[in-house]
Amino acid sequence: EAGVAQSPRYKIIEKRQSVAFWCNPISGHATLYWYQQILGQGPKLLIQFQNNGVVDDSQLPKDRFSAERLKGVDSTLKIQPAKLEDSAVYLCASSFFLWGQGSGNTIYFGEGSWLTVV
Amino acid sequence: SQQGEEDPQALSIQEGENATMNCSYKTSINNLQWYRQNSGRGLVHLILIRSNEREKHSGRLRVTLDTSKKSSSLLITASRAADTASYFCATPAIGGGSNYKLTFGKGTLLTVNP
Repeated sequence: EAGVAQSPRYKIIEKRQSVAFWCNPISGHATLYWYQQILGQGPKLLIQFQNNGVVDDSQLPKDRFSAERLKGVDSTLKIQPAKLEDSAVYLCASSFFLWGQGSGNTIYFGEGSWLTVV
Repeated sequence: SQQGEEDPQALSIQEGENATMNCSYKTSINNLQWYRQNSGRGLVHLILIRSNEREKHSGRLRVTLDTSKKSSSLLITASRAADTASYFCATPAIGGGSNYKLTFGKGTLLTVNP
């Protein structure tokens, strides 16, 4: 089966510019996640969707980051305006069920979108 | 917030040797997962162990879980150069809206020298 698709793979922008990342999850996966991974650290959850509804966006810097998942399939993550500290890999992931304490179902990750803000 | 933490931060071994990585976590969990990330790639799920399991095997991987010590270990036997990657433990934590989310530690960078 096809994996999680992300684009673009690499992006270099100047600070204060905007950027958008696109994600297409595995077919049939209801839950979609965006993680931010800064070099040398583990991924940090930014936002989690169940179908087209937001489940958790508590760590999304809402003054500059926004995300949507129209029709419960594809998702876009936007940063506007970008700051130097936004340089990171943005990982999209999906799972069949809403991930929970009891289910422990596997999360499938895309290859990531590498952002460099200069 | 980060729940799990891996140790050591970096590990360098020779091909054929075994590699052991540890993960400690803070609060009670129902399950723990290990993921691998090759340089420049996304994360790949390796294995899940539930709180009622003490040990689990998958090929050359062996995972243990000690809930009394809130720790887990990942053992890779007969390592290969292709095992060179970062390894992360992932544990559940309460997120926004009281929903559970999967949180990752900073990882262990494993280098297997040919």
